[in-house]
Amino acid sequence: QKEVEQNSGPLSVPEGAIASLNCTYSDRGSQSFFWYRQYSGKSPELIMSIYSNGDKEDGRFTAQLNKASQYVSLLIRDSQPSDSATYLCAVVESGGSNYKLTFGKGTLLTVNP
Amino acid sequence: DAGVIQSPRHEVTEMGQEVTLRCKPISGHNSLFWYRQTMMRGLELLIYFNNNVPIDDSGMPEDRFSAKMPNASFSTLKIQPSEPRDSAVYFCASSRTGGQQPQHFGDGTRLSIL
Repeated sequence: QKEVEQNSGPLSVPEGAIASLNCTYSDRGSQSFFWYRQYSGKSPELIMSIYSNGDKEDGRFTAQLNKASQYVSLLIRDSQPSDSATYLCAVVESGGSNYKLTFGKGTLLTVNP
Repeated sequence: DAGVIQSPRHEVTEMGQEVTLRCKPISGHNSLFWYRQTMMRGLELLIYFNNNVPIDDSGMPEDRFSAKMPNASFSTLKIQPSEPRDSAVYFCASSRTGGQQPQHFGDGTRLSIL
């Protein structure tokens, strides 16, 4: 059973701070990784994708990937109250033409004004 | 561009009734996924299709669940007979084929079985 683990939180940060969300995965052959944001009562929304080791920046968001450690993270700089949501880490399973995503259970982030 | 369209948005029905959830993927996307989300189990993949063909249904919980994709623009997930433990939010997602292609989710169907 391929697993994706996230701290469930809640993670609480003050407005303007950096929020750090972490994710580990068990499938050593995985090559594609995504971060989704899900507001309460809404559907998951893609915010970042990363495929190579290192950092990938998009606005206030930075995804970091370390395949050797099987670790992926999401940093949110200058956190805003509108960033308060559950963040889901998703990993594409390796093997053949398998395009299955395995999701973590998500980390609830609260940004306090 | 229109996103993934699901219907109905909410469904409340009594135990034992048949439930049919519908999904229209994004035009040009040839992979379609059905998920179920609950507080206890998180987001679980039920089944996915590639070019209208079911590829992996290992997540379908039992024979009461079935899914079809008769053409590239329509899929259904059916539960018959429904049970209270089927209550959850059901999401449909679609993507272009390929491991690096992100999945885009519909708004979901909130299902309550009384």
